[in-house]
Amino acid sequence: QVQLQESGPGLVKPSQTLSLTCTVSGGSISSGSYYWSWIRQPAGKGLEWIGHVYTSGSTNYNPSLKSRVTISVDTPKNQFSLKLSSVTAADTAVYYCARVIMYYDILSPWGQGTLVTVSS
Amino acid sequence: DIVMTQTPLSLSVTPGQPASISCKSSQSLLHSDGKTYLYWYLQKPGQSPQLLIYEVSSRFSGVPDRFSGSGSGTDFTLKISRVEAADVGFYYCMQNTHLPWTFGQGTKVEIK
Repeated sequence: QVQLQESGPGLVKPSQTLSLTCTVSGGSISSGSYYWSWIRQPAGKGLEWIGHVYTSGSTNYNPSLKSRVTISVDTPKNQFSLKLSSVTAADTAVYYCARVIMYYDILSPWGQGTLVTVSS
Repeated sequence: DIVMTQTPLSLSVTPGQPASISCKSSQSLLHSDGKTYLYWYLQKPGQSPQLLIYEVSSRFSGVPDRFSGSGSGTDFTLKISRVEAADVGFYYCMQNTHLPWTFGQGTKVEIK
C-alpha cells in the first residue's frame, strides 16, 4: 500500500524559500500510472492546489503561485519536492503531498500533512 | 479560475437521517473528452482528505454505498443516505476539468 510522507522545516523566515520533500513508500514514483501533487491548507481554511509534476519532469502550477513555485521529482530517491520562494505569512499552512491517479486524476492517497509557519 | 461554491457551509444531522451538500461551479465542468472531473473529498478531524466520489458519481474503493454523487454541467450534489458518527468532518468538492484545480470552501458536517 503506497504511503506518502512530507518532511522539511516547520519554520521559515519571511522572504526565504520554503522547501519540502515528499517520500513515497510502498511503490515506485516512476510508475507511469501516476503523477504527483502538492496541496496546502491555511489554518481553519480550505484547500488550495499548488501544482503537480509528472515523472517526465513536466509540471503544472497554480498561476497564483507560478512565479514562486518549483515542483520536481527525484526518481532514484523515490521523492518529489516543493520549493516556494519569497514566502510571507500568507504562505503559513499545512502542506500536503498526494499521488494523482492518471486518467481519473484522482488525488489518493494524501500524506499526513506538515505545518509550515512563516515567521521571523 | 473556476469558483466552486458549496452550500450549506455547515450541517448538523441526526444519526440515521439523510444529508445533502450542493456544489456549483462557475463554468461547466464537462471536459472536451466527454468526462466531468468533479470529485468529493472528506477530511475527518485531524486527518488528511480522503476521496469519496470521482467523476461526479463513481464511488472510490472502500467507500460505503450510503454515499452517492450526482449532477452535471455546473450543479452537483453529494448525498449521504443515512449519516453515521464516522461521517463527521469537512466535505470538499473539487474540479479537475480546468487548470488550476480548485476546491469548494468546504461543508462541515456534525452529528446532533
